Amino acid sequence: DVVMTQSPLSLPVTLGQPASISCRSSQSLVHNDGNTYVNWYQKRPGQSPRRLIYKVSNRDSGVPDRFSGSGSGTDFTLKISRVEAEDVAVYYCMQATHWPPYTFGQGTKLEIK
Amino acid sequence: QVQLVESGGGLVKPGGSLRLSCAASGFTFSDYYMNWIRQAPGKGLEWVSYITGTGSTIYYADSVKGRFTISRDNAKNSLYLQMNSLRAEDTAIYYCASGAADVWGHGTTVTVSS
Repeated sequence: DVVMTQSPLSLPVTLGQPASISCRSSQSLVHNDGNTYVNWYQKRPGQSPRRLIYKVSNRDSGVPDRFSGSGSGTDFTLKISRVEAEDVAVYYCMQATHWPPYTFGQGTKLEIK
Repeated sequence: QVQLVESGGGLVKPGGSLRLSCAASGFTFSDYYMNWIRQAPGKGLEWVSYITGTGSTIYYADSVKGRFTISRDNAKNSLYLQMNSLRAEDTAIYYCASGAADVWGHGTTVTVSS
């Protein structure tokens, strides 16, 4: 199974400042079809996970443009350009290239400093 | 809009059984593959099972293989997870998620305890 390793696991950020979360996979996530199936999810306390980014860098409908995804191969990043209070959540990366199973990172808890 | 609503969770003793349901609306259910994904208390997300739109292809995580059965009824726009031989480590919030896990339900809580 593909192992997804996130860092940091805890991310204190000042309001208005940028934040960056790294996700590394144990093998390349480039699919035979040429796509790279990496998603990012936001899970706020008491809510279900919400997909923010799919196929590395595509923002889902309604996701603020301060969220962006990038990366290739085995290294991927979720960036928030200016953190707002509503961004307090746990963020997960997930790979859907080599499945089953889909595998998730451990989660990164973003909090306001 | 797309909506997924899980039900059927509860408290069950080790070795017991439970059947979860997920009611879908707002999209053509039969066109989409579906997943069950869970989150144990204080833990991360774990994919559990997958089923294609027709039900012809099914996959399970190793941790539930042989104990859980995924199924669907496209006429009822519903997804199911039959859970047998439940263990304490199956305690979690269970979410159904459509397609490539783009839309998730609110979840239903399963607690396995004596």
